[in-house]
Amino acid sequence: DVKVTQSSRYLVKRTGEKVFLECVQDMDHENMFWYRQDPGLGLRLIYFSYDVKMKEKGDIPEGYSVSREKKERFSLILESASTNQTSMYLCASSLQTGELFFGEGSRLTVL
Amino acid sequence: AQRVTQPEKLLSVFKGAPVELKCNYSYSGSPELFWYVQYSRQRLQLLLRHISRESIKGFTADLNKGETSFHLKKPFAQEEDSAMYYCALSKKGGSEKLVFGKGMKLTVNP
Repeated sequence: DVKVTQSSRYLVKRTGEKVFLECVQDMDHENMFWYRQDPGLGLRLIYFSYDVKMKEKGDIPEGYSVSREKKERFSLILESASTNQTSMYLCASSLQTGELFFGEGSRLTVL
Repeated sequence: AQRVTQPEKLLSVFKGAPVELKCNYSYSGSPELFWYVQYSRQRLQLLLRHISRESIKGFTADLNKGETSFHLKKPFAQEEDSAMYYCALSKKGGSEKLVFGKGMKLTVNP
């Protein structure tokens, strides 16, 4: 069965802290994505990656960075968390066929 | 630029009623259109895509290039259809970056 696993389901951090969100997929997919999901705003793309060590900015990359050192792992980094980054973060992966497989999400609260 | 618009945020119907979830898009090239669904406490998943032209869980969606729409329809709604629905678009044959609409919550009452 296809699996995308996000390591943390719930996190609470303080303003200014560095935050790591980890995502692992076991499907040998080339493409991986990070979205944030907010009520009324839908899903907005933060960063994506088509290959190891490759990354491209999405629609809202400010305040975020990513790392893809291995094909199966795509990490989202908040260098200095702020309250407006409180959100649900969704990781996804895909082959070239277009279907995205999503993780269960990581709900981040920044105090 | 690609854009997906879901004009309604909420839709509430009774079991057995027809439903239509609207989706309009803006894109100058040839798009691929998708509907994704998120049931309560479950992960977001693909419901259907226009190129497959199939019916999933009784839902269908037709791409209307003239009206730039991809509305999702079901003739008889069931309680288990209650969920968040997202319309999404990607470039045909290009990258797999998807642009999502803001989503719509469907509630089917008994």
